[in-house]
Amino acid sequence: QQPVQSPQAVILREGEDAVINCSSSKALYSVHWYRQKHGEAPVFLMILLKGGEQKGHEKISASFNEKKQQSSLYLTASQLSYSGTYFCGFRGSGGGADGLTFGKGTHLIIQP
Amino acid sequence: DGGITQSPKYLFRKEGQNVTLSCEQNLNHDAMYWYRQDPGQGLRLIYYSQIVNDFQKGDIAEGYSVSREKKESFPLTVTSAQKNPTAFYLCASRSGIAEAFFGQGTRLTVV
Repeated sequence: QQPVQSPQAVILREGEDAVINCSSSKALYSVHWYRQKHGEAPVFLMILLKGGEQKGHEKISASFNEKKQQSSLYLTASQLSYSGTYFCGFRGSGGGADGLTFGKGTHLIIQP
Repeated sequence: DGGITQSPKYLFRKEGQNVTLSCEQNLNHDAMYWYRQDPGQGLRLIYYSQIVNDFQKGDIAEGYSVSREKKESFPLTVTSAQKNPTAFYLCASRSGIAEAFFGQGTRLTVV
């Protein structure tokens, strides 16, 4: 079952902030965030592990509420290069390197 | 440089034909994945493999087959049983609990 992302699309002016949310109906072990430009491969942004460990991009932050099975990605002082589609990916709590399941994506457009 | 290589970049298939998409990685990753991407659908998992000679179905495995004879390679065959194969296909690999690395994708079109 795919994670549910919101909003589906966001249009911002350069310098504004954005929050993208992601939720799951299943217990999670980790949350992954990626950004994809049109026609290109997704690029890793952030990984959040159960227990609080994080690894990721310097200018992008994220949170992971293990009890609610939710994650949010925070983009502050957005730049034109932030435009793209953002995907959250969940790995369940079954352990191992089982399949990452991704949401449908959030389209972010940054205008000058 | 280490990475994942998908080939070809563009592929055209006639009705009723099987086609195979290549995915090779030199990152020494144990796990490899195939995703299908359609507009508005995100990334949907087709198959994944955690070790050589073993693989599991993802959410949309029907009409697809895979093999994992070598750690570096995870080819995907789109069979004639897949009725709507036109899509962008992405291969990824991962080690342990770290992030996934994606290939540049193969765009498959039925003609």
